[in-house]
Amino acid sequence: DAKTTQPPSMDCAEGRAANLPCNHSTISGNEYVYWYRQIHSQGPQYIIHGLKNNETNEMASLIITEDRKSSTLILPHATLRDTAVYYCIVRVAGGTASKLTFGTGTRLQVTL
Amino acid sequence: DAGVIQSPRHEVTEMGQEVTLRCKPISGHNSLFWYRQTMMRGLELLIYFNNNVPIDDSGMPEDRFSAKMPNASFSTLKIQPSEPRDSAVYFCASSSYTGPNEQYFGPGTRLTVT
Repeated sequence: DAKTTQPPSMDCAEGRAANLPCNHSTISGNEYVYWYRQIHSQGPQYIIHGLKNNETNEMASLIITEDRKSSTLILPHATLRDTAVYYCIVRVAGGTASKLTFGTGTRLQVTL
Repeated sequence: DAGVIQSPRHEVTEMGQEVTLRCKPISGHNSLFWYRQTMMRGLELLIYFNNNVPIDDSGMPEDRFSAKMPNASFSTLKIQPSEPRDSAVYFCASSSYTGPNEQYFGPGTRLTVT
């Protein structure tokens, strides 16, 4: 699986958009970008994934650059409950190659 | 659905004792994963199963660790004998074999070996 690079930490004011970047310059054509987050003392939680098109769900939006070498997770209106470590993971979807390799992630602190 | 269920939630044991962690995946999921999380090493995959068959156990630290999945609704991770360096939070996750493969994690078992 391709390696990802994320900033170690970010701050965001409550109610503002949180934009979390991820670089994955060695991504292969059949690899998806997945985002998970881990709120303190809980198990990781799936947020969103995409291949090359931008994606949106009830939790967040995922913007993938045209060359697919980087992406941004957007939390449109961050709340205190969004304080967590956010992991960007690149891997092939489906089949037997389904394991996740977690890096160190970005620690997002949402403040009043 | 109740989600992935893990037991016990907390386990404190003495060095040398056997420890068994349990996991019930989401009904209908056919892949199951065991992860370990420590401050030093972060979140690392230990082993995963597809259709109850172990596929990749390269993350299992040593022979003291073993995992089984006797049926689609139950898995165990056993440590025998336990050591203080095994202290960590152990997560179980499950996913569907097909589709986007998003994994659903349980609440974890916090293991302390004294």
